[in-house]
Amino acid sequence: GAVVSQHPSWVICKSGTSVKIECRSLDFQATTMFWYRQFPKQSLMLMATSNEGSKATYEQGVEKDKFLINHASLTLSTLTVTSAHPEDSSFYICSAGTSGSSTDTQYFGPGTRLTVL
Amino acid sequence: DAKTTQPTSMDCAEGRAANLPCNHSTISGNEYVYWYRQIHSQGPQYIIHGLKNNETNEMASLIITEDRKSSTLILPHATLRDTAVYYCIAFYGGATNKLIFGTGTLLAVQP
Repeated sequence: GAVVSQHPSWVICKSGTSVKIECRSLDFQATTMFWYRQFPKQSLMLMATSNEGSKATYEQGVEKDKFLINHASLTLSTLTVTSAHPEDSSFYICSAGTSGSSTDTQYFGPGTRLTVL
Repeated sequence: DAKTTQPTSMDCAEGRAANLPCNHSTISGNEYVYWYRQIHSQGPQYIIHGLKNNETNEMASLIITEDRKSSTLILPHATLRDTAVYYCIAFYGGATNKLIFGTGTLLAVQP
């Protein structure tokens, strides 16, 4: 299957700082990428849809000013957690699909573990 | 997307077939049945998907009932590395549609 990478794998930061997480499609172009968050022992929760060249669309209850998404190229989307607080500590995962075909699927990155002290 | 229902957890003996059920009684005609799994602290891994016909690949088989209201994922020879949470999702497919995850089934393969 297609490969999606994330960087960093894990990050620890102090409360009040901002953290940027990168999501890359390594062997395909993705006009759309998705960002998820997962708390311990819970399922993945969709946060937002990242659209290349346009604004991201956020799910209900997700603060767009806190979770800034930039999709500047067909292979890269970034999620910036601004003014991070301990409650933002979570596992962040991105996904991307390889084409617009309805028979195609989406592939996930390995995730980024964020710990806010 | 149609809601799916899966058992919370299941056990399976190593080397035996693991059969994971999923109910999706409200699935629409053009929604596929997708299966992903998530090994602890990793991103979800695509396993298989199907619309009406049964499907098989190198990882698993997918059996979909004729009325499409339920399906079963079969891992023919489970190994300890198959221990994971398995998600059954009714999904329109494609790169731009949203994948919404339910709670999944925690499959524990026992030695």
